[in-house]
Amino acid sequence: QQQVKQSPQSLIVQKGGISIINCAYENTAFDYFPWYQQFPGKGPALLIAIRPDVSEKKEGRFTISFNKSAKQFSLHIMDSQPGDSATYFCAASNSNDYKLSFGAGTTVTVRA
Amino acid sequence: GAVVSQHPSRVICKSGTSVKIECRSLDFQATTMFWYRQFPKQSLMLMATSNEGSKATYEQGVEKDKFLINHASLTLSTLTVTSAHPEDSSFYICSARRWLGETQYFGPGTRLLVL
Repeated sequence: QQQVKQSPQSLIVQKGGISIINCAYENTAFDYFPWYQQFPGKGPALLIAIRPDVSEKKEGRFTISFNKSAKQFSLHIMDSQPGDSATYFCAASNSNDYKLSFGAGTTVTVRA
Repeated sequence: GAVVSQHPSRVICKSGTSVKIECRSLDFQATTMFWYRQFPKQSLMLMATSNEGSKATYEQGVEKDKFLINHASLTLSTLTVTSAHPEDSSFYICSARRWLGETQYFGPGTRLLVL
């Protein structure tokens, strides 16, 4: 059973638009929430990560919003570019074993 | 920094043979390495956790005698798929974590095809 639920499964956005991906978790022991970007045939690459004591974190065009009480977090990709077309995974782990639980993934397609 | 490599990137083998995949942290010492399997259009599934100098711990449903993991040094872990069968064909990805670090850095993956 998936410990982290991710939606939508896929989305299409126009160049310059905003992509929003949502994730929810149940395990309150999770204390680290990274987002990974994966291109076909490649390994995942860390995009941005957040801890639960912060409600928002921004790095360039990527922003994580975190709602601890709702146990939800989301990734916003601003000014989406065709090069952002990839699969995005949210994940969560705890500081006991550092095992990552991944969401199902969201395939983002940015149309020029 | 934090570069992880895997070798080979792609391997094709006959059913019944064994295949070894190497995972190396190139510019840091990895206290822990993780092995994942990813089927097409699916998420990453953790197979096992490997700590340097100790036995790997396997996730439920993963056969430890089939997927042998060795983590002999702080920069190298190996996954050996023994007596591979077509259903073992998949994309195998490793990740590495520094001591006291929570971030996992992933390798580029190894595509295994068993004929």
